[in-house]
Amino acid sequence: EAQVTQNPRYLITVTGKKLTVTCSQNMNHEYMSWYRQDPGLGLRQIYYSMNVEVTDKGDVPEGYKVSRKEKRNFPLILESPSPNQTSLYFCASSLEQHSYNSPLHFGNGTRLTVT
Amino acid sequence: AQSVTQLDSQVPVFEEAPVELRCNYSSSVSVYLFWYVQYPNQGLQLLLKYLSGSTLVKGINGFEAEFNKSQTSFHLRKPSVHISDTAEYFCAVIPIKAAGNKLTFGGGTRVLVKP
Repeated sequence: EAQVTQNPRYLITVTGKKLTVTCSQNMNHEYMSWYRQDPGLGLRQIYYSMNVEVTDKGDVPEGYKVSRKEKRNFPLILESPSPNQTSLYFCASSLEQHSYNSPLHFGNGTRLTVT
Repeated sequence: AQSVTQLDSQVPVFEEAPVELRCNYSSSVSVYLFWYVQYPNQGLQLLLKYLSGSTLVKGINGFEAEFNKSQTSFHLRKPSVHISDTAEYFCAVIPIKAAGNKLTFGGGTRVLVKP
């Protein structure tokens, strides 16, 4: 089944403890992206990657890191999480770089709480 | 830069009644427009998109949207809703010449369909 898989679904952690949220897609998509969803703000892009070893900042990159060593994986790293990073995170991918050609496929989300 | 405003954060509606979700956008360049739906505990799915041509766009599950360039709006409608339409709906835009699938989302409208 074609899908974007995020893990974990739920994560509770403490301030400053490094964590990684994994994202994997099995559709051979070129483009991958991370979003955070906050009430009333919709989804805001954190980072995106147009291909292997190519990543770039989105609208809210502060406090996050990503890597794209393989085409299928795009982990999100929080080196020193803070409470303002408590949010619902989504990984998404698309076959091509532009959504008008190919829609974004989203994972089911990771709900992160930082205390 | 682009911005998207969804005027209603919540819309309660009775089953089999019509529903309209309002979306207005602001952009200094031409954009493509999208509606995504998020069912409970799931990621977003593409409902429909406007790229060019007829301003009335039909999507999945009986939804349609009308693009109005003069009013910079892209309202979503369904003539008769079902319980299964309970979800959050997001309007989004992307500049026609953007790189990186850089969608800008509205804040979302939560639709609650009551029996």
